[in-house]
Amino acid sequence: GENVEQHPSTLSVQEGDSAVIKCTYSDSASNYFPWYKQELGKRPQLIIDIRSNVGEKKDQRIAVTLNKTAKHFSLHITETQPEDSAVYFCAGHTNTGNQFYFGTGTSLTVIP
Amino acid sequence: NAGVTQTPKFRILKIGQSMTLQCTQDMNHNYMYWYRQDPGMGLKLIYYSVGAGITDKGEVPNGYNVSRSTTEDFPLRLELAAPSQTSVYFCASSYSGQGPYEQYFGPGTRLTVT
Repeated sequence: GENVEQHPSTLSVQEGDSAVIKCTYSDSASNYFPWYKQELGKRPQLIIDIRSNVGEKKDQRIAVTLNKTAKHFSLHITETQPEDSAVYFCAGHTNTGNQFYFGTGTSLTVIP
Repeated sequence: NAGVTQTPKFRILKIGQSMTLQCTQDMNHNYMYWYRQDPGMGLKLIYYSVGAGITDKGEVPNGYNVSRSTTEDFPLRLELAAPSQTSVYFCASSYSGQGPYEQYFGPGTRLTVT
């Protein structure tokens, strides 16, 4: 099945700086890559997603890039704010079994 | 819309007991999923369903069973609970169509087996 790896596991940045989280996947048939934000004790919430026919997508301070050849995708958060502090998960979706495979998460801390 | 709802929110089980975790969605989504999340880890798929009457195993199905008799409901059954099943369980649903599309998660059930 698909294997999604996520790095780094923890990340601390100063408020206003940028944060980048990277994920790699193994199944070249994967076609959809969502990113989730999970605050402590809460459910995962989708923050941005990208499909395999697109190379980049942006939504205000958040962007995702996808390199299909290298099988990796990244989350970019600019002008970070303390409320961006949370655990972020990447995921890959493959039509083989219609399953989502999640990375192990990145704990982001934004220092005021 | 209530979205995806789960009951109970918390539960403590003794080893060997059984229970059913309930999940309901009111968005008419055809796909539903059960995940477990261990501390400091990502989500692992237990079972999923592509429609009423159809279920399939995910990465970690051992010790669990599911059924999908209606579009709205997707209960997860734990038989003979073991300490290794201590985890937070999330149910999710999504529409497929020409998708895939966004998964909507329930609030989770925190289960402790002692």
